Amino acid sequence: AQSVTQLDSQVPVFEEAPVELRCNYSSSVSVYLFWYVQYPNQGLQLLLKYLSGSTLVKGINGFEAEFNKSQTSFHLRKPSVHISDTAEYFCAVSPNAGGTSYGKLTFGQGTILTVHP
Amino acid sequence: GAVVSQHPSRVICKSGTSVKIECRSLDFQATTMFWYRQFPKQSLMLMATSNEGSKATYEQGVEKDKFLINHASLTLSTLTVTSAHPEDSSFYICSAGRRVGNQPQHFGDGTRLSIL
Repeated sequence: AQSVTQLDSQVPVFEEAPVELRCNYSSSVSVYLFWYVQYPNQGLQLLLKYLSGSTLVKGINGFEAEFNKSQTSFHLRKPSVHISDTAEYFCAVSPNAGGTSYGKLTFGQGTILTVHP
Repeated sequence: GAVVSQHPSRVICKSGTSVKIECRSLDFQATTMFWYRQFPKQSLMLMATSNEGSKATYEQGVEKDKFLINHASLTLSTLTVTSAHPEDSSFYICSAGRRVGNQPQHFGDGTRLSIL
């Protein structure tokens, strides 16, 4: 089984400041890792994913995340945020091996990022 | 990119009504569709996994007779909330993908269900 913990439920930040949204996971098997963004009353949009290879992955809208296997973390970062980045962000994992859970996403609790002018 | 269409976006109805929500993958064949439920200020909870042409697999605690799922084609899955009650009010989101772990799921825009 997998579990995902997003350490901050809310992160307020000023426009053009850097931001880091933290995500830790627990799993008995190897996993793929994802970050999704959700705007109010909408579904989820994929920001980026880690499958294998380089531990630093770049996504859309200037976001990037770094996979740290020893710390079981996958923190999301952006060097300079915009007002339009205000949304809720979800970290998720999926088993990368076969079995009945293959392809299923387990989500963290979400982090609401609020960018102030 | 891949697009998933979910309809309706909002439903308000009386207690006891059955409500059907459709999820369509518009530009790819989705061998698997997932149905999630999201309560206010909470994360997404997987309700069931739907594979084309076979019965859905429900997560523990989800009533299969309450939440009927049909995945009749590679582009359409439906979720019917039968005899809905106020406690069924929630945000329901579908996603479509292939049952391959490294392929990201593509999400619909969700359905806000309000039972009076």
